[in-house]
Amino acid sequence: QLQLQESGPGLVKPSETLSLTCTVSGGSVSGRSYYWGWIRQPPGKGLEWIGSIYYSGGTFYNPSLKSRVTISVDTSKNQFSLKLSSVTATDTAVYFCARAEYNFDYWGQGTLVTVSS
Amino acid sequence: EIVLTQSPGTLSLSPGERATLSCRASWSVSSDYLAWYQQKPGQAPRLVIYGASSRATGIPDRFSGSGSGTDFTLTISRLEPEDFAVYYCQQYGRSQFTFGPGTKVDIK
Repeated sequence: QLQLQESGPGLVKPSETLSLTCTVSGGSVSGRSYYWGWIRQPPGKGLEWIGSIYYSGGTFYNPSLKSRVTISVDTSKNQFSLKLSSVTATDTAVYFCARAEYNFDYWGQGTLVTVSS
Repeated sequence: EIVLTQSPGTLSLSPGERATLSCRASWSVSSDYLAWYQQKPGQAPRLVIYGASSRATGIPDRFSGSGSGTDFTLTISRLEPEDFAVYYCQQYGRSQFTFGPGTKVDIK
């Protein structure tokens, strides 16, 4: 059974970089034709796709966040990571990692990241 | 960029009633790439329907999906207490993913 688990700081200061890691177990981040992605959800609001990395290493980002987002993969640790730079209070959200082919079938439990000084 | 619109924003129904949720796309979406999710408070979303009409693993048959092009529908034939939640549609195209704003199904 595939499992994903987010980890990283729960509090980030404004203008700094948010960094999260998703650890995958029960499957390989470099196997088959899957995307490994990040989705966020501000408190009380809907879901927003941030970006994804393809199994072959290609990256794809939400145009509204593209200038601030970097997603990378570490196949040796079976992890993929998110970096979001120059954060503001509007980046406060629960951040989910998930696997997708054309839809997200496996999700992490999510981690709340608050942007505050 | 394809924009998804969902209606209604909130659907107030009683257990046993039928729920019909709509998802409309700003451009045509391949049926293969349209999905629906259920989300309950404090939980990650759960895949309900993929490929517009295929039920995900473990999803009961009271859930059904239909539609094509720009108009898609999620139907819950008889609401059970555990079905009251927020439902999101999602599309994939050109390596981009988009979610709709969601429909909340709450107890009347």
